[in-house]
Amino acid sequence: EPEVTQTPSHQVTQMGQEVILRCVPISNHLYFYWYRQILGQKVEFLVSFYNNEISEKSEIFDDQFSVERPDGSNFTLKIRSTKLEDSAMYFCASSERDPYEQYFGPGTRLTVT
Amino acid sequence: GIQVEQSPPDLILQEGANSTLRCNFSDSVNNLQWFHQNPWGQLINLFYIPSGTKQNGRLSATTVATERYSLLYISSSQTTDSGVYFCAVDNNNDMRFGAGTRLTVKP
Repeated sequence: EPEVTQTPSHQVTQMGQEVILRCVPISNHLYFYWYRQILGQKVEFLVSFYNNEISEKSEIFDDQFSVERPDGSNFTLKIRSTKLEDSAMYFCASSERDPYEQYFGPGTRLTVT
Repeated sequence: GIQVEQSPPDLILQEGANSTLRCNFSDSVNNLQWFHQNPWGQLINLFYIPSGTKQNGRLSATTVATERYSLLYISSSQTTDSGVYFCAVDNNNDMRFGAGTRLTVKP
């Protein structure tokens, strides 16, 4: 069964450093999403992406964040200058169309020290 | 934005018991999904159910879109059902999650 994959599974970085989180959505899906979950809290929407453009973004997704689909298979989330409060689990998701069922990857746990 | 409330926040069951989890939302939705977050943090799709009723083994779900709620039923619970159950809704291409129900099933 096709699945969303994410790399790395865990990333540790120092405050102020740039990080890139990578996702490979399901191959025939056209809509891509990033979410984050701070430890012990609920999952929060960050951004949705379709046709090489951001469709929607939340108030969390400020100028420190960017997304890109650099080729036909990868979807990335970049955090330019990490803060301690960026420590969280980051989930990528994809769906075939919108609105429709979203499939989530296993997540990347980001720890900022 | 749309508000999502889940109840109860915590639920402790004895193995074999049945349970009902509720999700209320504040506006009409295009998408509603139920997820189970396992102890490793993975979000497992349970149901895509913007309306109607679905069943999958011991689990079933019903969404009454006109009354803005959804219910997740777990029958004959097992210890492996433990974890956090999230409801998530979407009406503007930005899916919003509830705070979850933490289920503990004791042997």
